[in-house]
Amino acid sequence: DAMVIQNPRYQVTQFGKPVTLSCSQTLNHNVMYWYQQKSSQAPKLLFHYYDKDFNNEADTPDNFQSRRPNTSFCFLDIRSPGLGDAAMYLCATSGFLGYTFGSGTRLTVV
Amino acid sequence: GNSVTQMEGPVTLSEEAFLTINCTYTATGYPSLFWYVQYPGEGLQLLLKATKADDKGSNKGFEATYRKETTSFHLEKGSVQVSDSAVYFCALSHKGRGGTSYGKLTFGQGTILTVHP
Repeated sequence: DAMVIQNPRYQVTQFGKPVTLSCSQTLNHNVMYWYQQKSSQAPKLLFHYYDKDFNNEADTPDNFQSRRPNTSFCFLDIRSPGLGDAAMYLCATSGFLGYTFGSGTRLTVV
Repeated sequence: GNSVTQMEGPVTLSEEAFLTINCTYTATGYPSLFWYVQYPGEGLQLLLKATKADDKGSNKGFEATYRKETTSFHLEKGSVQVSDSAVYFCALSHKGRGGTSYGKLTFGQGTILTVHP
């Protein structure tokens, strides 16, 4: 089945140690999104790509960056994770068939 | 800008009770409307959607009707089950760039539903 895959499901990182979360898709969708979700709150959009065109939300901290080397893959880099960055990170794609979300990566910062 | 407001939870029901979760929105034009469900520790799953006024989305016994005149998209289910316990999010989007059907999603704050046997 075509899908959006996030790895790993659970990630533990140390305070201040860079961490990368990955997302891949087999849907060939142009658009990919990264959302941050804390404690069953509404997901908050961090940034999105339309093809290789990167779009940052105005309130996304500089600590968060992203790369999209090709259509299939997208990475979220957190340069210096703080305790407040502990959250579920959701990757999503959208195309003509609609949105598809990955299962998420739960990040713990210790 | 766009916004979505859901009824505050948590909502606690007994099995087989009737469920309504209210959702209203503010947006220009004619957005698409969605309900997503999130089970504990999981990502978001699309429950149903509607893309134009008076459309009714339905899935797994859940229904919601796109009401342009009241800018609402209330979620209903006639008889809930314990397995329906989850967080429910109402969301909207407009058309995206390049003809993609859906642009950025704007979410409501979520409603926690707990169903007891």
